[in-house]
Amino acid sequence: DVKVTQSSRYLVKRTGEKVFLECVQDMDHENMFWYRQDPGLGLRLIYFSYDVKMKEKGDIPEGYSVSREKKERFSLILESASTNQTSMYLCASSYRRYEKLFFGSGTQLSVL
Amino acid sequence: GEDVEQSLFLSVREGDSSVINCTYTDSSSTYLYWYKQEPGAGLQLLTYIFSNMDMKQDQRLTVLLNKKDKHLSLRIADTQTGDSAIYFCAEIRGKLIFGQGTTLQVKP
Repeated sequence: DVKVTQSSRYLVKRTGEKVFLECVQDMDHENMFWYRQDPGLGLRLIYFSYDVKMKEKGDIPEGYSVSREKKERFSLILESASTNQTSMYLCASSYRRYEKLFFGSGTQLSVL
Repeated sequence: GEDVEQSLFLSVREGDSSVINCTYTDSSSTYLYWYKQEPGAGLQLLTYIFSNMDMKQDQRLTVLLNKKDKHLSLRIADTQTGDSAIYFCAEIRGKLIFGQGTTLQVKP
């Protein structure tokens, strides 16, 4: 089975802190994605990557950056966390672009 | 509209059928998806339908596609308490676009 592992299930940070959310997949997928999930808004795409060292902005990239140094690892970075970034963050990977995404369990981030 | 629309909440009794509806936007979407999110977990692909199909059945799940009205539905027969979850429909429009999610509550 494909496994997408997110490093933390719950995270509490202070406003202004730099935050790293890590995601690792074990199926040699080319494509990796970061979404945030908010009640009533569904999932919104933050950033995605189709290859190592490649990244593209999604719908809501402001305040975020990403890093993909190795194929299996895709990191989401909040350069200076703000309270409006309190959310559930979901990482996903896929073999073929948008077909059959496999999701991690999510990281619930609270910024105080 | 621009968004993939779903109703936010559905409550059914155990053993009844559940029907979750979705309106999508792009008639050229090749695939349409249903994802399920159980409490405390990420999303998992439940089923999908190719755009040239009207219906797809997979055990207790039936997906109906009305391309004219851009309407997608997921029917769960004999709904069980283990079906309680959030259900997301999604279309491909340059990227994967999700609806807001429908929370299915199954009462014993």
